[in-house]
Amino acid sequence: GAGVSQSPSNKVTEKGKDVELRCDPISGHTALYWYRQRLGQGLEFLIYFQGNSAPDKSGLPSDRFSAERTGESVSTLTIQRTQQEDSAVYLCASRRTNTEAFFGQGTRLTVV
Amino acid sequence: DQQVKQNSPSLSVQEGRISILNCDYTNSMFDYFLWYKKYPAEGPTFLISISSIKDKNEDGRFTVFLNKSAKHLSLHIVPSQPGDSAVYFCAASEAGNTPLVFGKGTRLSVIA
Repeated sequence: GAGVSQSPSNKVTEKGKDVELRCDPISGHTALYWYRQRLGQGLEFLIYFQGNSAPDKSGLPSDRFSAERTGESVSTLTIQRTQQEDSAVYLCASRRTNTEAFFGQGTRLTVV
Repeated sequence: DQQVKQNSPSLSVQEGRISILNCDYTNSMFDYFLWYKKYPAEGPTFLISISSIKDKNEDGRFTVFLNKSAKHLSLHIVPSQPGDSAVYFCAASEAGNTPLVFGKGTRLSVIA
């Protein structure tokens, strides 16, 4: 498809387990972002990739969170040793320079 | 320290009337501003944007106004329709592909 694709759409995991979330950006979009939205809250920036530059990790809440991106394609967000406060919708977006960002549908993560 | 603020968490408007959603920002380096609309269980959808060289941008029923001296922007929807009921997020970024900084959103309810 032509849009940003995220998988899985829903994930329920036990506290302490690791999870991996995937994002396929729009082809040709050099910038890729991860955000999360906790219940009743706004969009919280996590990490940003721009081409081959070093990622901006300033929004990652702890060292349990990490993300990778291969070139200008797929990105994975990994959360190790999940905690209940990690429960949220994780959103991925991509954009070209100085244009709007397009979001995926999100992955709803529930840590039980 | 919130750089983008949407001070009204909710707004109710009668169908056919004007909806005005407000947003304030603190970072004077922001030069690109966007509004997104979000339905439950979906990713945010881009609505309209404005660059700092303009003070108004219009697209159909949606108009965004930017007052740089006041660091304030607003989204006007006229006439409002029941399908406009959603959460609206204001976002801003500095030049280039820097992260979009989002407000906490305003829930708009358009009553038939």
